[in-house]
Amino acid sequence: ILNVEQSPQSLHVQEGDSTNFTCSFPSSNFYALHWYRWETAKSPEALFVMTLNGDEKKKGRISATLNTKEGYSYLYIKGSQPEDSATYLCAFSTSGTYKYIFGTGTRLKVLA
Amino acid sequence: GAVVSQHPSRVICKSGTSVKIECRSLDFQATTMFWYRQFPKKSLMLMATSNEGSKATYEQGVEKDKFLINHASLTLSTLTVTSAHPEDSSFYICSARKSGGGTDTQYFGPGTRLTVL
Repeated sequence: ILNVEQSPQSLHVQEGDSTNFTCSFPSSNFYALHWYRWETAKSPEALFVMTLNGDEKKKGRISATLNTKEGYSYLYIKGSQPEDSATYLCAFSTSGTYKYIFGTGTRLKVLA
Repeated sequence: GAVVSQHPSRVICKSGTSVKIECRSLDFQATTMFWYRQFPKKSLMLMATSNEGSKATYEQGVEKDKFLINHASLTLSTLTVTSAHPEDSSFYICSARKSGGGTDTQYFGPGTRLTVL
């Protein structure tokens, strides 16, 4: 059974703090790793898709890294703002299929 | 672009009735759509893969006669929960993959909260 783990489950940070979360996934049959940002009552928003070991992607204050050999990805948020409050999901997909296996997400609350 | 809508956002129904949920890709064509279910404090779990013009592929443990999926066009997939029971109460969310795209990125709808009384 393929399992994707995310940690921490939730965290609170002060506005201006930088933070990071972890996504662990199986290292075999890797195809892609996806990060989504999910605000309450909205659609999950695609942040990054990463396919190559060592990939680093950046979008504004948010960045992500990928290590496919050891099976983990980090998501970093620099200078957190209240509008960054959301659940951050990662999903892993395997070679030969378009199916995603999701982690349970990290719920971030940024306090003003 | 890449907007997916889902309707209704919330539905309450009596036990034994059927409920239809629609998933539409608004600004792109989607050969493949996916239906997920989320239990409280759990991850999104894939129920089935919906392919335009062909039968859906269900994941292990998902009853195809309970959860009917129709993908009649490149922009619409529907999930019908037949003879719903309280244990079917859950959050259902769909996603769509762009046709012909080189990426396997899925674009999600906002989800449907189903409550069966």
